[in-house]
Amino acid sequence: SYVLTQPPSVSVAPGQTARITCGGNNIGSKTVQWYQQRPGQAPVLVVYDDNDRPSGIPERFSGSNSGNAATLNINRVEDGDEADYYCQVWDGSEDQVVFGGGTKLTVL
Amino acid sequence: QVQLVESGGGVVQPGRSLRLSCATSGFSFGDYGMHWVRQAPGKGLEWVAVISFEGSNEYYADSVKGRFTISRDNSKNTLSLQMSSLRIEDTALYYCAKDLSEYNYNYQFDYWGRGTLVTVSS
Repeated sequence: SYVLTQPPSVSVAPGQTARITCGGNNIGSKTVQWYQQRPGQAPVLVVYDDNDRPSGIPERFSGSNSGNAATLNINRVEDGDEADYYCQVWDGSEDQVVFGGGTKLTVL
Repeated sequence: QVQLVESGGGVVQPGRSLRLSCATSGFSFGDYGMHWVRQAPGKGLEWVAVISFEGSNEYYADSVKGRFTISRDNSKNTLSLQMSSLRIEDTALYYCAKDLSEYNYNYQFDYWGRGTLVTVSS
């Protein structure tokens, strides 16, 4: 089955850029979504189709996807960005949705 | 605004059944595919099932196939999940989620409810 690998944690100072990676075999051939989940809350879609943002999501959030890794970039990180972030793809070969294990973003 | 409100969770013994519901408002429910996604306590997200906008197609995660059934009532803007032969490992917060794409399902979840907790325990 298809596996997405994320680092368990990423730390960044306020105002800096956070980069969260999502590794998968030839993930560049799939479309990637990213979700933000603050403690005790439901997930929120922040990036879809690799690098599109739903309405209401700040431009500080962006994504890229190529080869065997996708990346979520969060520019000018704020305290409110502290959350768990999950990448997600559709694996058409097995008709299954796959989520990464999640990355806890800590704002120092 | 879009609202999804799950209900029906609770404590149930292994092997028993439970039915979850998701009441929706704020969008044209009958135009969108709908999903269930779950999250075990302290764990990550796991997709459970999807149903097409008109209800004619359903797909399931391997972990629930043959035990869970997703359904919808477009006249009542309601999504359901019938869970049977429940196992300890089905314990999770179950979220109802709307697909981003109209008249299709691209497995992109743009709105989520707050979830309903299912605990399977003897």
